[in-house]
Amino acid sequence: ETGVTQTPRHLVMGMTNKKSLKCEQHLGHNAMYWYKQSAKKPLELMFVYSLEERVENNSVPSRFSPECPNSSHLFLHLHTLQPEDSALYLCASSQEVGVVSTEAFFGQGTRLTVV
Amino acid sequence: AQSVTQPDIHITVSEGASLELRCNYSYGATPYLFWYVQSPGQGLQLLLKYFSGDTLVQGIKGFEAEFKRSQSSFNLRKPSVHWSDAAEYFCAVGRGTALIFGKGTTLSVSS
Repeated sequence: ETGVTQTPRHLVMGMTNKKSLKCEQHLGHNAMYWYKQSAKKPLELMFVYSLEERVENNSVPSRFSPECPNSSHLFLHLHTLQPEDSALYLCASSQEVGVVSTEAFFGQGTRLTVV
Repeated sequence: AQSVTQPDIHITVSEGASLELRCNYSYGATPYLFWYVQSPGQGLQLLLKYFSGDTLVQGIKGFEAEFKRSQSSFNLRKPSVHWSDAAEYFCAVGRGTALIFGKGTTLSVSS
């Protein structure tokens, strides 16, 4: 496999459920990101990881919990979500963070619906 | 604060006609600028990027963009649009650790 792979592609969960989104990159990159894409809104940066260390948390509610066990894998653990959390969640990777020339490679996203 | 504005929410272009998508940015230093495309149900794909040098940059799929510092713009162009270009287009600026995106422009192509 190549590029950035996200699973599952679609997820429907109740507000009391706990689920996890998975992202895997095969590009040898050191940085990984979670973005949220809601209708009619710009992509919102959620979290940034560099070499498994979280370097940015963009004021995301605690019901979203990221985990980066190694530089190739990134998870987003979800619990007690709200209907307004329904969105497309995109994972991305780049060679490095901390430089403005951040060329990111994106996965296809997970379409999350909270019922 | 850095920001990206895409003034056009939705544009319809006839197949074979030329295309220009607008992007304006607000950034204090020399910007690193990107255009991404997102087809329905897909992630974002990089079309082109500007870091420095020649202000006219060429990208994939026949797209180009011109950086104009005086106008704080980075407009995307294509001389002849194909039906397969119908998608959502995002302009972005590199900021520190990540990218800041505009709201996107949806391109429809009519036959």
